[in-house]
Amino acid sequence: AQTVTQSQPEMSVQEAETVTLSCTYDTSENNYYLFWYKQPPSRQMILVIRQEAYKQQNATENRFSVNFQKAAKSFSLKISDSQLGDTAMYFCAFPPQGGSEKLVFGKGTKLTVNP
Amino acid sequence: GAVVSQHPSRVICKSGTSVKIECRSLDFQATTMFWYRQFPKQSLMLMATSNEGSKATYEQGVEKDKFLINHASLTLSTLTVTSAHPEDSSFYICSARGGGANYEQYFGPGTRLTVT
Repeated sequence: AQTVTQSQPEMSVQEAETVTLSCTYDTSENNYYLFWYKQPPSRQMILVIRQEAYKQQNATENRFSVNFQKAAKSFSLKISDSQLGDTAMYFCAFPPQGGSEKLVFGKGTKLTVNP
Repeated sequence: GAVVSQHPSRVICKSGTSVKIECRSLDFQATTMFWYRQFPKQSLMLMATSNEGSKATYEQGVEKDKFLINHASLTLSTLTVTSAHPEDSSFYICSARGGGANYEQYFGPGTRLTVT
């Protein structure tokens, strides 16, 4: 079964510091996409970053970057120069099988950025 | 671009009544739309996948006769909660895909349903 595991239910970081959120997944597919979504208190789901499994280069979007280890099936999110607006739930997600349009979400990590 | 709206944002209804939630893709054609349910402090639970012009595919354990989904056009999907009960109270979120191979979903802002 394809699953997504986020082992950190809650994390906190000081403003301007760096934090890494972990995500592991299980799949038998070779080509797939991985996503990190953010859900702030407004509850609007926002795409943070996307990684294509066939690309060895880690994706980067401004202060957000990933450490993608395909063999280890690990997909961590690094947030640099944390800002108060980064306070949110963060969900890791991926399509459970090739050709499926669905996304499987992890249980989420609640990140709090402290001033 | 890629904006998805949901209406209403909040709704309160009485037990036994039905309530309809609309999900619209505003600036793209959504080949596929998804409906999720989210309990407090939990992750998103996929309820069903709908494609325009065809019947929705429900996830295991989701009552299709209770949660009616209609995807009448490439920009509109509706979720109707029939004969609502207090246990149906939850946060319902829709998302949409515009095609392409990257599987990215664009999410609506969600609907808070309270059944009294």
